[in-house]
Amino acid sequence: RKEVEQDPGPFNVPEGATVAFNCTYSNSASQSFFWYRQDCRKEPKLLMSVYSSGNEDGRFTAQLNRASQYISLLIRDSKLSDSATYLCVVKQGGADGLTFGKGTHLIIQP
Amino acid sequence: DTGVSQNPRHKITKRGQNVTFRCDPISEHNRLYWYRQTLGQGPEFLTYFQNEAQLEKSRLLSDRFSAERPKGSFSTLEIQRTEQGDSAMYLCASSWPGRAGEQFFGPGTRLTVL
Repeated sequence: RKEVEQDPGPFNVPEGATVAFNCTYSNSASQSFFWYRQDCRKEPKLLMSVYSSGNEDGRFTAQLNRASQYISLLIRDSKLSDSATYLCVVKQGGADGLTFGKGTHLIIQP
Repeated sequence: DTGVSQNPRHKITKRGQNVTFRCDPISEHNRLYWYRQTLGQGPEFLTYFQNEAQLEKSRLLSDRFSAERPKGSFSTLEIQRTEQGDSAMYLCASSWPGRAGEQFFGPGTRLTVL
């Protein structure tokens, strides 16, 4: 079983729509959680951290459910520029290397 | 540009040859990471340095791989006796102390082993 699992997509979504991705993780000792964004042929970049109480950054909302071991990302009023691969990332306690999911490919259509 | 830089950006080599990649992190960052990414996969952690000390190694880092960060600034990743399965994008990242989740990635070195 992969440590971090995501639906690879692609998700084809019309501009202006709301889209949500989920990710599950297997290690219950996981400590910190993040969403990274990776554009085609570019390096990953931190999109946002995910906090237990849920957090919002503009059009983006991230939530964590520790009991069910899943993380979600919601994008409202999607823009063409949101087209990218969204990587779910987990950090284990006591380790600094990050564990990435395969990523979910999002395509926003005009 | 004060971001993470990596050289070379592309490397084509023949199976069995040795290759070395360089990473220059953001200057204020004392932590440096190496990852490998293949098509359709997320980055996979290889190893991590805090200053010049190599503190963590993944089981993916076989004996043919070695990484150094001799003065706590730039780092090198060497692959000996390359195999076709080593073909991948090798990504370097750096972070501030205590903020390991916020890693800044370089553009990567794409290795092709023929």
